[in-house]
This record gives sequence, C-alpha cells and structure tokens, in this order.
Amino acid sequence: AQSVTQLDSHVSVSEGTPVLLRCNYSSSYSPSLFWYVQHPNKGLQLLLKYTSAATLVKGINGFEAEFKKSETSFHLTKPSAHMSDAAEYFCVVRDNAGNNRKLIWGLGTSLAVNP
Amino acid sequence: GAGVSQSPSNKVTEKGKDVELRCDPISGHTALYWYRQSLGQGLEFLIYFQGNSAPDKSGLPSDRFSAERTGGSVSTLTIQRTQQEDSAVYLCASSFQGTAGETQYFGPGTRLLVL
Repeated sequence: AQSVTQLDSHVSVSEGTPVLLRCNYSSSYSPSLFWYVQHPNKGLQLLLKYTSAATLVKGINGFEAEFKKSETSFHLTKPSAHMSDAAEYFCVVRDNAGNNRKLIWGLGTSLAVNP
Repeated sequence: GAGVSQSPSNKVTEKGKDVELRCDPISGHTALYWYRQSLGQGLEFLIYFQGNSAPDKSGLPSDRFSAERTGGSVSTLTIQRTQQEDSAVYLCASSFQGTAGETQYFGPGTRLLVL
C-alpha cells in the first residue's frame, strides 16, 4: 500500500538560509511524486513533480527535489529561503500501477521563515 | 484561461441539513477529483471522475456523501444529514486526462462548518 510520511510537521528557518523539507514514501510500483504548496487563504499550487525521468527535479520559486529510490525519499530543498516561502508544503505520491488515480497526501510541513 | 472554481467559498449549516458544493473544472479537462482537508490534516481523497467512465467512489466516507458530474463538466458534491465531523475544506481539482503523473489543478475550496 502507498503511504507518505513528512518527517517534520513544522520547520523554521532564517531568511537566506537553506530549506530542507523531508518526505519518505512507500509504494509498490514506480511512483509519481509531487510537492504542493498552500499559502494562507490560497489554493494548492504544484511546486514540482517526478514522473520517472530525471531524478533531480527543479520546480518553481527555486525549489528542487531529488528522487532517491534506495532511500524511498523525495526531500524538498531550496538554497536560500525567502519570506514569501512561508506556507504549508505537502508531499504527495501516486502509485502508477493499473488504473490507480488516487493521490496519497502527507500531513504537511508548515514552513516559517524568520527575518 | 480560468482556473478551477468552487462555490460557495464558505458554508455554515446546521447539523442534519443537506449541503451541495459545486465545482467548475478547467475547460477541456476530463478528469475531476474531490478531496477533503480537515484541520491539521493532509488531503483525503473522496471521489474521481474520468470522462464517461464510472466514477471511483472508494474515498467517500459514508453513504451520506455523493457526487455527480453532469455533461462531463460541472460537478456537485452532496452531503446529506451533515454531521459536525463533516466540517472541513472541500477541494476540487481537475486534470487534462487523469493520466499518471499529470498535474492536478486545484480550486480555492469550500470551507464547510457544521454547527
């Protein structure tokens, strides 16, 4: 069965320092993996996705994530945090077996960026 | 072009009443998804529509929940005899074909409060 674990419910960084949001997944087959961001009072927005191409995926706003099959991880990183990055981040997995169309969502990581 | 829209944006109802939530997907998108996001939780899959195929209702939490999609476009999620535990943000998403790895585009959600 698929599952997603976001290892930190809250992360706090200073502006200009690196961001690391951790995600581990469990999937029976080759998965698709996504990171979504949800700013306060705004809709969910896709940051980036992995779909079996390059293992290092670059997304919007300077974020990137690396798919590591051996570690079953898909951690989200950014070299330098900006105040506008403060939001809730969700790691999502979809098993690509058969007709499975459901996305399995992590519980989210709340990112705070301090001046 | 216009994104996914949902109405109403907020709904307050009394326990036991029925509610209808509406979703207008992006024009041309054949796949439509409903999710529920409870406070402090990740997204919970409810139901998935793909073209003219039978919907995947496996995520509906009880028989009080139902959804339909008329003409392959607009969808309505109905909750009968609402309970306080139904209070959540209900999110609709659409994608072009519903294939693996495809990006889902989310609406702003309907915030439901059951008193």
